[in-house]
Amino acid sequence: DQQVKQNSPSLSVQEGRISILNCDYTNSMFDYFLWYKKYPAEGPTFLISISSIKDKNEDGRFTVFLNKSAKHLSLHIVPSQPGDSAVYFCAASAGNQFYFGTGTSLTVIP
Amino acid sequence: DVKVTQSSRYLVKRTGEKVFLECVQDMDHENMFWYRQDPGLGLRLIYFSYDVKMKEKGDIPEGYSVSREKKERFSLILESASTNQTSMYLCASSLGTGGPNQPQHFGDGTRLSIL
Repeated sequence: DQQVKQNSPSLSVQEGRISILNCDYTNSMFDYFLWYKKYPAEGPTFLISISSIKDKNEDGRFTVFLNKSAKHLSLHIVPSQPGDSAVYFCAASAGNQFYFGTGTSLTVIP
Repeated sequence: DVKVTQSSRYLVKRTGEKVFLECVQDMDHENMFWYRQDPGLGLRLIYFSYDVKMKEKGDIPEGYSVSREKKERFSLILESASTNQTSMYLCASSLGTGGPNQPQHFGDGTRLSIL
């Protein structure tokens, strides 16, 4: 059974607006959460992470929010740029093993 | 920057063949991983390794084996390739020291087709 879920396979956003990507998980033992970005024909690249002891982490235009009670994770991109168009995977870990969601394809329209 | 190199970008093999996928990382990382990526299923862990000669099964190890004779190299082996192993295969590595919560660095993937 999928322990990390991304229920939206795709998302389209206008350039300059906010992109919000969502992720839900089932295992309360997960203590580290990450977002990866993947362009076609390339491997995923690490974007941003958050520990379970925090509820927010920012890095430039990217902010990750963690709601442990709801077992929900979200990535906000502000402002969105055409170069942000990619597939975004969320991942969660407990120890050295990582569990990935199925990905959300973001398209930023110029 | 961490560099994870997978030996082939595209590979076509026949059913029943023994297939080797090679992965090398240049940052002295302790942990290495093999995933496969399929549409609608995301990334699924096949095997991982914490150290030389050590291996652990992931979520979908059936039909696969691995080898880690040197720290920088992690090989995935399809013992007898089948058509349902047609997929994108991704190798990753991460630092083992400094705690378990270290991001993984991925190679660009090998798109394997089994005919």
